[in-house]
Amino acid sequence: AQTVTQSQPEMSVQEAETVTLSCTYDTSESDYYLFWYKQPPSRQMILVIRQEAYKQQNATENRFSVNFQKAAKSFSLKISDSQLGDAAMYFCAYRIGAGSYQLTFGKGTKLSVIP
Amino acid sequence: NAGVTQTPKFRVLKTGQSMTLLCAQDMNHEYMYWYRQDPGMGLRLIHYSVGEGTTAKGEVPDGYNVSRLKKQNFLLGLESAAPSQTSVYFCASSYRGLDYGYTFGSGTRLTVV
Repeated sequence: AQTVTQSQPEMSVQEAETVTLSCTYDTSESDYYLFWYKQPPSRQMILVIRQEAYKQQNATENRFSVNFQKAAKSFSLKISDSQLGDAAMYFCAYRIGAGSYQLTFGKGTKLSVIP
Repeated sequence: NAGVTQTPKFRVLKTGQSMTLLCAQDMNHEYMYWYRQDPGMGLRLIHYSVGEGTTAKGEVPDGYNVSRLKKQNFLLGLESAAPSQTSVYFCASSYRGLDYGYTFGSGTRLTVV
């Protein structure tokens, strides 16, 4: 079974600084997708960024970028120029590339942003 | 606005009572899912559906039933609620074959006393 591990239950960052959230996963598949979701206090799940395993280039969405290390099965999220609105739970998620569209989630990292 | 709508948003049940959570999406998504979220556990898949009239079990299906009679709706039922089912329930949907992740509903907070 695939597993997703987020080893940092909580993290904090100063406003305008950079923070990196860690995620590792375990799979025997070669074709898969990885995601980061944000869950603010409103409870809404918001897709932050996605990465296809077959792509070597790291995905980037504005202030959010990932460091995808396929051999190490690592998928960290970097938030640059942190803003107060970035405070939320962040979930790393994985799914295989074909046959199933089920997402497997990590347990989450709670990010606090200090003004 | 297009998206996934869950009803109700909050509910308190007594042990042994039954209820149905409704999920409706207007994006013509083929796949729909029910997850539960518990503190420190992330989101765990309860049941999912890959099309109208089909359902399948996820990671934690016990105590729940689902139905997908129409493509746009996915119902989650609790026949005899237990305190262990106190949780936040999320419905989500996605296209088949495209990979833009899920679209989530805003969740239902269920408390069983």
